[in-house]
Amino acid sequence: EVQLVQSGAEVKKPGESLKISCKGLGYTFTRSWIAWVRQQPGKGLELMGMIYPADSDIRYNPSFQGQVTISADRSLSTAYLQWTSLKASDTAMYFCARKDSSGYKNWFDPWGQGTPVTVSS
Amino acid sequence: DIQLTQSPSLLSASVGDRVTITCRASQGISSYLAWYQQKPGKAPKLLIYDASTLHSGVPSRFSGSGSGTEFTLTINSLQPEDFATYYCQHLTGYPFTFGPGTELDVK
Repeated sequence: EVQLVQSGAEVKKPGESLKISCKGLGYTFTRSWIAWVRQQPGKGLELMGMIYPADSDIRYNPSFQGQVTISADRSLSTAYLQWTSLKASDTAMYFCARKDSSGYKNWFDPWGQGTPVTVSS
Repeated sequence: DIQLTQSPSLLSASVGDRVTITCRASQGISSYLAWYQQKPGKAPKLLIYDASTLHSGVPSRFSGSGSGTEFTLTINSLQPEDFATYYCQHLTGYPFTFGPGTELDVK
C-alpha cells in the first residue's frame, strides 16, 4: 500500500525553528514529487512547494518562497519542511501529498495524515 | 498564476439529494482538474482526476465533467458520509492552485 506518514504534532514559540517530515512507504520514493500543503485554521488548501527527490528539484509557490525550506533525504525516503523562525501565522495543519512524475498522472494521491503546528507564546 | 473559483461556497442539502458544485478557472486548463473531499481534521481524499475520471474506490454517485474553464462535480443521491468540504485543483502550469472550497452541510 502506498502511503505517506508524517511526523507528530508540534507546539512552538515564535522565533523558534522547526523541521517536520513526511516518509514515503510502498513505492519508489525518488520517482514521485512530494508536495507540501498548508491549511490554516478554518481556511482552504494552499500549495507551498514541491520536491522531486531523485534530483532534489524544488519548486516553491512564490507566496512561500523564502519563508520555508523544502528538502528530502533519499536514503530515508523522507521529505522535510523547515522553518528557521516561526511566526504565529504559521499555525496550521501541514499535509504532504504525492504526485507521480508521469506527465499524464495529474493528481495528488495519497496524502499524509497531516502535522498540526501551533505557534504561540 | 491560474486562479480557481468555486460556487457555491456553502451548500445545504439532504440525504438523497443530487448536488452540483462548479469550479471555474481564470484561463483554460484543458482537463487538468482534480476534485478532493475533505472531512474535518482529516487529509483530503482524491475523488476525480482529469476532470471526469473517477479515482479507484470512489463511489459511482460521484461524477465530474467539464473542460477549458468550467467544471462541475455532481453527487447523486447524497449519503450521510458525503457531507464534507470539496476542493478543485488545477494541474496545468505550476503552481497547482486549489479552489477555495465548497462546504456541503446538512439542510
